[in-house]
Formats: sequence, structure tokens, C-alpha cells
Amino acid sequence: GIQVEQSPPDLILQEGANSTLRCNFSDSVNNLQWFHQNPWGQLINLFYIPSGTKQNGRLSATTVATERYSLLYISSSQTTDSGVYFCAARGGSEKLVFGKGTKLTVNP
Amino acid sequence: DTEVTQTPKHLVMGMTNKKSLKCEQHMGHRAMYWYKQKAKKPPELMFVYSYEKLSINESVPSRFSPECPNSSLLNLHLHALQPEDSALYLCASSRRALPAVSNQPQHFGDGTRLSIL
Repeated sequence: GIQVEQSPPDLILQEGANSTLRCNFSDSVNNLQWFHQNPWGQLINLFYIPSGTKQNGRLSATTVATERYSLLYISSSQTTDSGVYFCAARGGSEKLVFGKGTKLTVNP
Repeated sequence: DTEVTQTPKHLVMGMTNKKSLKCEQHMGHRAMYWYKQKAKKPPELMFVYSYEKLSINESVPSRFSPECPNSSLLNLHLHALQPEDSALYLCASSRRALPAVSNQPQHFGDGTRLSIL
């Protein structure tokens, strides 16, 4: 099945800094999603982005399907951005496979 | 994702108890999923229902019994659980089921945090 790898595993930022999170996947995908899991466990949809570029406020994402990677950009980070960011991908099956996540800590 | 509603939010049960987790969506989605998430780990798929029929069981122990009584509702019946089953249980749904399920985003509920004593 498809493999999903995320980097870095941990990231510590000062408030106001920018960051880039990376997701590599092993096969062609027709579903790729970025999620933010907050400290209370809520898994929040950030982007559905099997290809192309999308922006939502301070967050944007780009997926280059031909090169099998996706990037999540966070600009002007805030303490509320802290949590774990998951990338999840699905190829030809029904199974959405999650990466191990990037734990982001934004300090005031 | 508040469009997928899970109840209860927290559940504490003994190993001999029988309880059920409930998941509901009213978005007209025809695929529904159960995931299990242990602390500091990503969610892992347990079951997939497509058009109210079980299409994937990821070798889940029989002490977990899923049920999809209609297109809006998904239950997970629990019986004789073990302490290692303590986890966050997440429900998700997506708009279309087989054969086009792959290209639809999944929407997650807030989860049920389960503790087994």
C-alpha cells in the first residue's frame, strides 16, 4: 500500500515565524489531505489538495503529484497553531493512510 | 469538523461492560469510517462502510462490532475490551462510495475518548 512520510517530526517556532511542513508519498494519489489535530484531539480539515495550490488565510498548501510530495506553509505563526499536523493520502483503494505527523510548538 | 457528530465525547468502562459509540452525519455521505488513535500516533483505519455495507475490516478483533443501520448513522459496539483498547475513536464520512470513493475528502468527527479500566 501507499507510504506517507512527514518531516520534520518536531518543530519549535517563535510566534510570528514562518514554517514549511513536508509530506512525501510513495505512489500516485487521488486524495491528499492536511489536518491539524489540536491539543483536545480534534482533527480539523485544513486542505483537500491532491494536486495544485490552495490558500486559506495564513495557511497554504501545494501538492506536486508528479514528484509525489506536498508542502504546507504556515506564515506568521500563532500559539493557537500548536498541535500535530497530519498529511494523509489515498491511492487506488478506500484506505486513507496517515503520516506520523509533525508536532508544532509555537512559543509566545 | 462539526458536521460529523460523535457521542459520547468521553467513555469509561470496565472490561466486562457492553457499550456503544455513535456517529451521525447529515451531509448525504455514503461512505463512513471508524479509526482508532493511540496517544502520539496517527489515526489507524478500522472499518469502512460503503452504501451501508461493510467493505473493509482491517483485521479488527471481534470485541469491536460495527453497525450501519442507515446512511446517516454508524455505531461501534464494544464488548469485553482490554486496557490496550483505550484510545481516541474517530468517525469520518466522505461524499461518494465505491467505485469513486478515492477522490473525495474525508470529514472527521471530534472523537470519543475511551478509557478501559
